[in-house]
Amino acid sequence: GAVVSQHPSWVICKSGTSVKIECRSLDFQATTMFWYRQFPKQSLMLMATSNEGSKATYEQGVEKDKFLINHASLTLSTLTVTSAHPEDSSFYICSAAPGRNTGELFFGEGSRLTVL
Amino acid sequence: QQQVKQSPQSLIVQKGGISIINCAYENTAFDYFPWYQQFPGKGPALLIAIRPDVSEKKEGRFTISFNKSAKQFSLHIMDSQPGDSATYFCAATDGTSGSRLTFGEGTQLTVNP
Repeated sequence: GAVVSQHPSWVICKSGTSVKIECRSLDFQATTMFWYRQFPKQSLMLMATSNEGSKATYEQGVEKDKFLINHASLTLSTLTVTSAHPEDSSFYICSAAPGRNTGELFFGEGSRLTVL
Repeated sequence: QQQVKQSPQSLIVQKGGISIINCAYENTAFDYFPWYQQFPGKGPALLIAIRPDVSEKKEGRFTISFNKSAKQFSLHIMDSQPGDSATYFCAATDGTSGSRLTFGEGTQLTVNP
């Protein structure tokens, strides 16, 4: 299957700082990437849809000023958690679609964020 | 109408047994049904997927059974192994949503040796 790389795999930061997570599609171009958040023993919660060259579409209840998404190229999307607080601690996972409307979606390894 | 209901929440199976996880959906526009396997601390990995033009798809020990009229689909893991112990998510999407998936709640599978 297609490879999606996510970095960093884990990060610990102090409250009030910002953290950037990168998501790269290594062997395909991804017009669309998705960002999810996952709490322990729960399903994936879609945060936003990232489209190359345009603004991200955020799900209801997700603060766009808190979670900044940039999809600058067909192989890279970034999620920046701004002014992080302990309640932002979670497992963040990105995914990328190699084809438009095919349904196929490949996930990164996830990034564990811990805010102290 | 966008929900995908998954059951059971957890499942314990003996090595060599059959694991069965069920999902039901409501949106008749869904036309792609993947299953993902997730190990702790890792992202989900695509396991197997089916489209509604077939009733069954088999890949190795993994089989998806699809019932379009009942709007249900299930994952069968034959000869379950301890290495299959993971969380399994069913999902669904339609052709207009750009691969945006609706996920089930997940099933934590434990295969005892």
